Amino acid sequence: DQQVKQNSPSLSVQEGRISILNCDYTNSMFDYFLWYKKYPAEGPTFLISISSIKDKNEDGRFTVFLNKSAKHLSLHIVPSQPGDSAVYFCAASADDMRFGAGTRLTVKP
Amino acid sequence: ETGVTQSPTHLIKTRGQQVTLRCSSQSGHNTVSWYQQALGQGPQFIFQYYREEENGRGNFPPRFSGLQFPNYSSELNVNALELDDSALYLCASSRLLPGRGGTEAFFGQGTRLTVV
Repeated sequence: DQQVKQNSPSLSVQEGRISILNCDYTNSMFDYFLWYKKYPAEGPTFLISISSIKDKNEDGRFTVFLNKSAKHLSLHIVPSQPGDSAVYFCAASADDMRFGAGTRLTVKP
Repeated sequence: ETGVTQSPTHLIKTRGQQVTLRCSSQSGHNTVSWYQQALGQGPQFIFQYYREEENGRGNFPPRFSGLQFPNYSSELNVNALELDDSALYLCASSRLLPGRGGTEAFFGQGTRLTVV
């Protein structure tokens, strides 16, 4: 059962522009949402999170937006940098944490 | 550097064999979760241990089992290996249940298991 979905397997943006990564979920019991970033040969590393009681959380170039009614969240990276190129996983948590399939972001110089 | 280490980093096993993967969590982290990540997919939740008791399990058969020890280490055991078990196995630890009180999980680098 795919409770967390990332429908775009890949995204390519130009350096300096905005990257928007999307995520949808089906389980209304999820109350905490996280984004992880993964480089090859490394485990996922935590990037940013948001509680279900909020609709926006910002940390530097990274902002996560949550739309509970639509069961949708997004990660905005602005401005995008080549070092942001990685696979980004959306995760949602109730009593355990479930992941989407990931979106491979490529930021071109 | 997440403070979570997994061993071995790579492993090749034959179908039908048994394997034990190990994870050393950060001190003070009471929760450890194990994930299977097949090529091109996201991490799939196998199970979670909290204070040495299993307290959540994903859609994996009983031949996937685990242990958590008081010294913040844990094991994932897989019996009767199948070719489809070939994947990256990730261990993640957290101080609380993931998501509780804003807790994120910290991942190890993973163990790449190949079943031939």
